[in-house]
Amino acid sequence: DTGVSQDPRHKITKRGQNVTFRCDPISEHNRLYWYRQTLGQGPEFLTYFQNEAQLEKSRLLSDRFSAERPKGSFSTLEIQRTEQGDSAMYLCASSPNEKLFFGSGTQLSVL
Amino acid sequence: DQQVKQNSPSLSVQEGRISILNCDYTNSMFDYFLWYKKYPAEGPTFLISISSIKDKNEDGRFTVFLNKSAKHLSLHIVPSQPGDSAVYFCAARRNPYGNKLVFGAGTILRVKS
Repeated sequence: DTGVSQDPRHKITKRGQNVTFRCDPISEHNRLYWYRQTLGQGPEFLTYFQNEAQLEKSRLLSDRFSAERPKGSFSTLEIQRTEQGDSAMYLCASSPNEKLFFGSGTQLSVL
Repeated sequence: DQQVKQNSPSLSVQEGRISILNCDYTNSMFDYFLWYKKYPAEGPTFLISISSIKDKNEDGRFTVFLNKSAKHLSLHIVPSQPGDSAVYFCAARRNPYGNKLVFGAGTILRVKS
């Protein structure tokens, strides 16, 4: 399977805990994106990387959020001190051009 | 601010008929538009796209129309099939900002057999 892979698929955590999600993009894609989607809304841009460089971060990405893409391959998104408002589907996408290819997402529930 | 709007939260169509999904945008700097389809518990899947220099793009049962003067695009599905039932997202790109896509809120399409 050469699609975008995200792990875990589901995460339930208690408020105040830290969580980390992983994304493995399609191998030949140099751009990687993180989006967040809540019920009834479209995906909202969080951040993107070109190779290992993080080129843009949304205002939605508070200082509790951090993303990395060491060596320009897989990426991680960490949320520190989770809040109930962080509950959402976190989507990763990779792209060689104007089309983004999404993974199945990580559904985060903060209790 | 919502730069990409899908004003119809849902649409119900009979199998075999045409489905028309609409999308409006406000930012004239958008240069590329895409439609994505999403099934429950899956990520969005690319469906069809159109450059701002064109007014129509067709791929099998799917056609996207772009009206730049009205800042409006639509997706036509003919004939509609029950497997088309999903959430459809309109998305727009503003280059040269790294292919970041701005998405609408989505339209739920139900195709009844």
